[in-house]
Amino acid sequence: ILNVEQSPQSLHVQEGDSTNFTCSFPSSNFYALHWYRWETAKSPEALFVMTLNGDEKKKGRISATLNTKEGYSYLYIKGSQPEDSATYLCAFMDSNYQLIWGAGTKLIIKP
Amino acid sequence: GAGVSQSPSNKVTEKGKDVELRCDPISGHTALYWYRQSLGQGLEFLIYFQGNSAPDKSGLPSDRFSAERTGGSVSTLTIQRTQQEDSAVYLCASSLAGIASTDTQYFGPGTRLTVL
Repeated sequence: ILNVEQSPQSLHVQEGDSTNFTCSFPSSNFYALHWYRWETAKSPEALFVMTLNGDEKKKGRISATLNTKEGYSYLYIKGSQPEDSATYLCAFMDSNYQLIWGAGTKLIIKP
Repeated sequence: GAGVSQSPSNKVTEKGKDVELRCDPISGHTALYWYRQSLGQGLEFLIYFQGNSAPDKSGLPSDRFSAERTGGSVSTLTIQRTQQEDSAVYLCASSLAGIASTDTQYFGPGTRLTVL
């Protein structure tokens, strides 16, 4: 059974602080890893898709790294702002194109 | 251009009734996906369409669930004889290429289904 785990489940961060959280996935049959942001009352929105071991992606204050050999990806947010409050989802795609989603990390930024 | 749209946005129904949820993908997107999120749970993949074809229906929770897509565009997800455990937010997404790609999935706003 393929399992994608995200930790922590939820996170409270003071505005201005930096933070990071983890997506763990199977280290075999890797094809791609997606990160999405899901704000309350909105649709999930794509952040990154990562395919290569060692890949690093950046979008403004948000960046992500990928380690396919050990099966994890980190998402970093630098200088958190209230608008960063959302649930961050990762999705693992294996070589059979099966897409498995994590349950998400709910990030709450305290002003 | 227009994004993915879903209707209705909210649906309240009685146990045992049938419901039909609709998804309009982004024009030109060949792949369409259905997910649901039950309270406190992650996204659960239900089914995807490549064109009008659904190669794998094993993600549908039971035989009360069915989905179709016509003209490579609009898709409907039908739940027959609804049960309370069907209550969830049902999300639709589409992508330009098929599932065998790393294309971004664009999500609709979802349909919140409540079964009383």
